[in-house]
Amino acid sequence: GNSVTQMEGPVTLSEEAFLTINCTYTATGYPSLFWYVQYPGEGLQLLLKATKADDKGSNKGFEATYRKETTSFHLEKGSVQVSDSAVYFCALSRANAGGTSYGKLTFGQGTILTVHP
Amino acid sequence: EAGVVQSPRYKIIEKKQPVAFWCNPISGHNTLYWYLQNLGQGPELLIRYENEEAVDDSQLPKDRFSAERLKGVDSTLKIQPAELGDSAVYLCASSLAPGPYYEQYFGPGTRLTVT
Repeated sequence: GNSVTQMEGPVTLSEEAFLTINCTYTATGYPSLFWYVQYPGEGLQLLLKATKADDKGSNKGFEATYRKETTSFHLEKGSVQVSDSAVYFCALSRANAGGTSYGKLTFGQGTILTVHP
Repeated sequence: EAGVVQSPRYKIIEKKQPVAFWCNPISGHNTLYWYLQNLGQGPELLIRYENEEAVDDSQLPKDRFSAERLKGVDSTLKIQPAELGDSAVYLCASSLAPGPYYEQYFGPGTRLTVT
């Protein structure tokens, strides 16, 4: 079945440090890949996505590239801010239409990021 | 535009009691999802609706969980009777249509504590 593995957390960084959160996946076919962010007390929000190999998703200074050869979708940001402190989830969704699981998101376990001033 | 609304935000009940969660999706969103999020884990899909039809309920423990989406708008998820292991956050999400090309918008969740 489909699965997503994220790097163990929590991750603690100083402001303006470089961020990498690793994500690898197992899936049949070519899924779409996502990063969601959950700020304290809020619901999950889509941060960025990529729907095919070599696509780069980007938003708010965050980037992730869909690497089919390494089945990875690592999240990066060049300079983190205190406001980036949140839980980050990597997820995949089957891309082929049809079937009851179409649209189902499979999530990793989440990585807690804390950024200190 | 209002987001996905869930209520209650928090619920504490004793084991063996019933509990219900309510979700109102974004207006016009035909697809509605219920996810379960255990502490320290990512969400897991319980059930997906397209309009009023439950098209994927394979992960719903049907012996104690039930759900409905009358008129294809808001939805209710029920647990009867609740067990200690049901303590978790129950998330509702909606999208215009199913599939990875349509963003799922999540509500804030209902945190259930079973004592």
